[in-house]
Amino acid sequence: GESVGLHLPTLSVQEGDNSIINCAYSNSASDYFIWYKQESGKGPQFIIDIRSNMDKRQGQRVTVLLNKTVKHLSLQIAATQPGDSAVYFCAENADAGNNRKLIWGLGTSLAVNP
Amino acid sequence: GAVVSQHPSRVICKSGTSVKIECRSLDFQATTMFWYRQFPKKSLMLMATSNEGSKATYEQGVEKDKFLINHASLTLSTLTVTSAHPEDSSFYICSARGGEREQFFGPGTRLTVL
Repeated sequence: GESVGLHLPTLSVQEGDNSIINCAYSNSASDYFIWYKQESGKGPQFIIDIRSNMDKRQGQRVTVLLNKTVKHLSLQIAATQPGDSAVYFCAENADAGNNRKLIWGLGTSLAVNP
Repeated sequence: GAVVSQHPSRVICKSGTSVKIECRSLDFQATTMFWYRQFPKKSLMLMATSNEGSKATYEQGVEKDKFLINHASLTLSTLTVTSAHPEDSSFYICSARGGEREQFFGPGTRLTVL
């Protein structure tokens, strides 16, 4: 689901299905993008990243796709497991002078049904 | 990945008291540390960026006299919430970067002000 508005969008999937989480980013000059997973009461955990000179990158069970034309990022999780239930954030790395900082998306809550 | 710790993990204090939160990079030297605040079911909000040995750069709307940040060494940054009030209750998360693009996040500190 798209991260829009003030409400945390929720994506509900069946265990074993593939999940696709979408994100629209704002800065066309951003050159580095990251997906984070955050479980309840914990800090964000790095999942996968991609640089702007790529359009696809694969990790273990995860794939990130980058479409710079429409400023869109997606995270695909294969064979989703109950342990994948969490909030997923995309972040773009923007250069603010000497301090590169992350600009965060609103997040998508993934619920995996057994 | 690199390890970042935060202490305490949760703190409850009375209104008007000051609370210090520590953020440590355990196995790498962090030239830059970031402090975030997160409300329930919301994204991370960057409060300030601190570079070792220099003053922190605060985001717009964040009171620097209210949220004191000290980055005295390459492995330690502290956030002090001065004269805390109930509206300061939140989840505070730090992250550290050692020079590459990736930020490593701490587990967060839950602050409750009574």
